[in-house]
Amino acid sequence: SQTIHQWPATLVQPVGSPLSLECTVEGTSNPNLYWYRQAAGRGLQLLFYSVGIGQISSEVPQNLSASRPQDRQFILSSKKLLLSDSGFYLCAWSVSGIIETQYFGPGTRLLVL
Amino acid sequence: AQSVTQLGSHVSVSEGALVLLRCNYSSSVPPYLFWYVQYPNQGLQLLLKYTSAATLVKGINGFEAEFKKSETSFHLTKPSAHMSDAAEYFCAVKGDYKLSFGAGTTVTVRA
Repeated sequence: SQTIHQWPATLVQPVGSPLSLECTVEGTSNPNLYWYRQAAGRGLQLLFYSVGIGQISSEVPQNLSASRPQDRQFILSSKKLLLSDSGFYLCAWSVSGIIETQYFGPGTRLLVL
Repeated sequence: AQSVTQLGSHVSVSEGALVLLRCNYSSSVPPYLFWYVQYPNQGLQLLLKYTSAATLVKGINGFEAEFKKSETSFHLTKPSAHMSDAAEYFCAVKGDYKLSFGAGTTVTVRA
């Protein structure tokens, strides 16, 4: 069966510091991968998605970036964090198809101080 | 573009009472619709999905949803609420490559 991992689970970082969040998927090949952010009272916002290694699409302009160095690894990064980057970051995976369903990881809680 | 609207950001029900969460969709093509549940500080868990096979969809934890094309709705129900149903619920519609989520409905269950 498929499993999705995210780490760290929680992170407290000062403004201006770098960020690296990691997501890995097990039990499937060539998944589509997604990064979402959930800020308080703002629902789920799609940040990036990837359909393959090195293929990243950005949904919103921001100081975050994403990379996919391996088939089942998706990394969210920032060179300098802003206060507004605080939130709950969720990674998700799916397999391409007509009835494509996204499955979510446990999330990373980021607090920027 | 596809979108969903969840009516009511917060619903409070008594234990044992009916849970009804409302979701209306907008789509130019036959939609694929989903309901997810999120417990505090956890990721989203798929409750059920509509894929045009049947208008009444049964999901996990006793939840079900009915697709009504004439009303462009996909409301989620559970006949009898349990304390463990306290969570946030999201309706979503599949677009070309992504899901578009509603703003979410928080359910509290009173003893």
